[in-house]
Amino acid sequence: KQEVTQIPAALSVPEGENLVLNCSFTDSAIYNLQWFRQDPGKGLTSLLLIQSSQREQTSGRLNASLDKSSGRSTLYIAASQPGDSATYLCAVRKGAQKLVFGQGTRLTINP
Amino acid sequence: GAGVSQSPSNKVTEKGKDVELRCDPISGHTALYWYRQSLGQGLEFLIYFQGNSAPDKSGLPSDRFSAERTGGSVSTLTIQRTQQEDSAVYLCASSSTQTGTRSAFFGQGTRLTVV
Repeated sequence: KQEVTQIPAALSVPEGENLVLNCSFTDSAIYNLQWFRQDPGKGLTSLLLIQSSQREQTSGRLNASLDKSSGRSTLYIAASQPGDSATYLCAVRKGAQKLVFGQGTRLTINP
Repeated sequence: GAGVSQSPSNKVTEKGKDVELRCDPISGHTALYWYRQSLGQGLEFLIYFQGNSAPDKSGLPSDRFSAERTGGSVSTLTIQRTQQEDSAVYLCASSSTQTGTRSAFFGQGTRLTVV
């Protein structure tokens, strides 16, 4: 059974800092891994998707890496801004199966 | 449509009543998922539809919960004899199974409150 863990559960940093969010998964036979953002009371917004054959994906100030063999992914946020405050979720998929989510990291960027 | 659409956005119901939640996936997406999120909790998988295959119902918490997907598009999640513990945000997502990214896109959710 695939299990996804995100550490830390919560993180608070000053504006402008670079930061890393971590995601680990127990079954390395994944099809892809996706990072989402969730604002309070809102749905999920897709940030980045990494296919199993890829090592990283970048979008603006965000960079996601994937080390499938070790069951790890990181989401790097550069030059953090207060608007980046949200809960960040990672999810993995094996083949045409359901997404399995971590519990999320609640990020607060302090002005 | 442009995105995944869920209705209603909010639903307040009395304990014991039945409710229906609707999801309109992105046009052409063959995969559809239902999740629920209780206050302050992570996402709990409920059910997954993939094309014409039998749905994966392994996440449905009890036989009071059921879902169907008509014509491979719109899906309805039905909760019978609602209980207070059913109160949560119910999220729907869809994805394409064309070769490519298969990114999942979520709707804004239906907030269900059972009083």
